[in-house]
Amino acid sequence: AQTVTQSQPEMSVQEAETVTLSCTYDTSENNYYLFWYKQPPSRQMILVIRQEAYKQQNATENRFSVNFQKAAKSFSLKISDSQLGDTAMYFCAFMKHWSRDKVIFGPGTSLSVIP
Amino acid sequence: DAGVTQSPTHLIKTRGQQVTLRCSPKSGHDTVSWYQQALGQGPQFIFQYYEEEERQRGNFPDRFSGHQFPNYSSELNVNALLLGDSALYLCASSLGTSGGAVETQYFGPGTRLLVL
Repeated sequence: AQTVTQSQPEMSVQEAETVTLSCTYDTSENNYYLFWYKQPPSRQMILVIRQEAYKQQNATENRFSVNFQKAAKSFSLKISDSQLGDTAMYFCAFMKHWSRDKVIFGPGTSLSVIP
Repeated sequence: DAGVTQSPTHLIKTRGQQVTLRCSPKSGHDTVSWYQQALGQGPQFIFQYYEEEERQRGNFPDRFSGHQFPNYSSELNVNALLLGDSALYLCASSLGTSGGAVETQYFGPGTRLLVL
């Protein structure tokens, strides 16, 4: 069974600074997707970034980028130039690739951006 | 382009009652998944529907059931409610491509269920 671990329950960062959220996962699969979802206090879950495991290049979306280390089963999220609107719960998530499958979420990291 | 919608937004029930939650997928999506998110935790997979059938199920009792309609919308039913069923219920939709590969799941705003 797959598991996702986020070891940082809470983090804070000054506005305009950079912060990195950690995630590790366990799987015996070779092909899979990894995601970072953001859930602001308004609770709508929003996809931040997605990584296909077969791609060596790390995904980037504007101020958000990941460091994907497949051998280490590590998938961290870096947020550059943090903004107040980045304050939210961040969930790391895993999904097997070649199937209609469920998304397995980590416990989340609560990020606060401080003015 | 409408995203995933869910109704109602909030619901209060008492123990032993039954509840039905509704979800309309994002336009063009044919697969609906339901998740339960307890306060302060990550979402837990309940089940997934496509082609009007339950295809996968997480570790939830039979009190949790669902349905998918021909227009791809879906319902989640919970019978004999327990206090522990209080949670945010999230619906996510996706498009199942040929070969079984699944696109990213997009989530609705959720239904907050409180069981008293």
